[in-house]
Amino acid sequence: KNQVEQSPQSLIILEGKNCTLQCNYTVSPFSNLRWYKQDTGRGPVSLTIMTFSENTKSNGRYTATLDADTKQSSLHITASQLSDSASYICVVSPNTGNQFYFGTGTSLTVIP
Amino acid sequence: DAGVIQSPRHEVTEMGQEVTLRCKPISGHNSLFWYRQTMMRGLELLIYFNNNVPIDDSGMPEDRFSAKMPNASFSTLKIQPSEPRDSAVYFCASSPVAGGYGNEQFFGPGTRLTVL
Repeated sequence: KNQVEQSPQSLIILEGKNCTLQCNYTVSPFSNLRWYKQDTGRGPVSLTIMTFSENTKSNGRYTATLDADTKQSSLHITASQLSDSASYICVVSPNTGNQFYFGTGTSLTVIP
Repeated sequence: DAGVIQSPRHEVTEMGQEVTLRCKPISGHNSLFWYRQTMMRGLELLIYFNNNVPIDDSGMPEDRFSAKMPNASFSTLKIQPSEPRDSAVYFCASSPVAGGYGNEQFFGPGTRLTVL
């Protein structure tokens, strides 16, 4: 069964600290994995996309990693800011059929 | 670019009433998606249009839900009759690439629906 699981479900960190969010999937065959950021009261916005051949990709203070062998991805946030408070959603697409699979997200709260 | 536009932003209705949610995708985008988001289930894909044609409606929960895309710049999601369990935030998203399951989607601000 194709599934995407994210951990932790929620996280609270101090401003300026780093954190790592996890995404494990069973989707196969794999095409790509995308991380979205969803601010409260708004729609998700894409942060980065990882394809099979990519191990690491950065977008400012956000760095995503992918291990296609273990079917794991992580999103690392460096020097967190209050504006990083949001839900982070992992979405995995297979390379066959018309479907994609959403994780339930990690809710991140950055406190001063 | 105004992005994806949804209306209304908030809707409160009574059980049994018809509800129509509207979406204007980004101009030039070929794919349109309707989602429902709740705390319990997260984001769920309801239906996906490609060049105005419904491709996958397997996520539509039941016959009370219907969606149309009469042209490239407008789509509606209708619930008739509405029930309290339909209360959720409904998002519309568009993608510039046809067949865009794996492509970046641009989400609208959502419609928060409350059915009493």
